[in-house]
Amino acid sequence: GAGVSQTPSNKVTEKGKYVELRCDPISGHTALYWYRQSLGQGPEFLIYFQGTGAADDSGLPNDRFFAVRPEGSVSTLKIQRTERGDSAVYLCASSPTSGQPQHFGDGTRLSIL
Amino acid sequence: RKEVEQDPGPFNVPEGATVAFNCTYSNSASQSFFWYRQDCRKEPKLLMSVYSSGNEDGRFTAQLNRASQYISLLIRDSKLSDSATYLCVVNLGGGSYIPTFGRGTSLIVHP
Repeated sequence: GAGVSQTPSNKVTEKGKYVELRCDPISGHTALYWYRQSLGQGPEFLIYFQGTGAADDSGLPNDRFFAVRPEGSVSTLKIQRTERGDSAVYLCASSPTSGQPQHFGDGTRLSIL
Repeated sequence: RKEVEQDPGPFNVPEGATVAFNCTYSNSASQSFFWYRQDCRKEPKLLMSVYSSGNEDGRFTAQLNRASQYISLLIRDSKLSDSATYLCVVNLGGGSYIPTFGRGTSLIVHP
C-alpha cells in the first residue's frame, strides 16, 4: 500500500535481548519520526530524521536506543539490553517535510517479559 | 507544567450533542497546531490542521487562541462513530519541528 508500513506488528522478547523495529515511510516523504506510546498517554517523541540525518534525537531515553535511516527512506529503531519498561507501542510517522502533518504507521507493539 | 495539556475525560455525550475540547500549550513560540483522532489500539490519524483564523471541516471546527495559548475542537451533531481519543499536537517552533502530543481527550458518544 501507499501508507507508512511498520514491521513487525508485534514483538515479544525477553529482558536483556536486542530488538530492531522497521519503518517504511510514504514514498517521497523526507521527514520521518519515531514515537513511543504507553496506555492512556499520547505519543512521546523519540527521534526524527530529515533525509538521512537525525535532525533531533533529544527524545531517546538513553543510550540503549538508537535509530538509523541510511538511505533516507527506511528507518530502523534499535533497542539494546531491553528492559520491561521499554514495553510500549512504537509508532513511526512520515511527512513530506518537517513541520507538516504526519501520517502514522500501525505501530509495533513491543512486550518485554 | 507539561508543554501540551488536555483534559483526559472521558466526555460522555448523547448522539446529536455538541461537544468541545480545549488544549493548552506552554510555549508562546509554537507555530503549528493539529488535531488527530485515535481509535482504540489504532494509529493516530490527522483530523485537521488548526489555522490562525480558525477553520471548519463539516461538523468539526478548530480554533486557535494565541493570547491565551490554547486550541479548541468543536464537534457538532455528534455521531456514534465520533467516539475516539482526540489528540492535540503542537509544533513548538523556534526552529524546532518536534511535534508534541497531548495525552488525548476521550470522547464517548452514546445512543
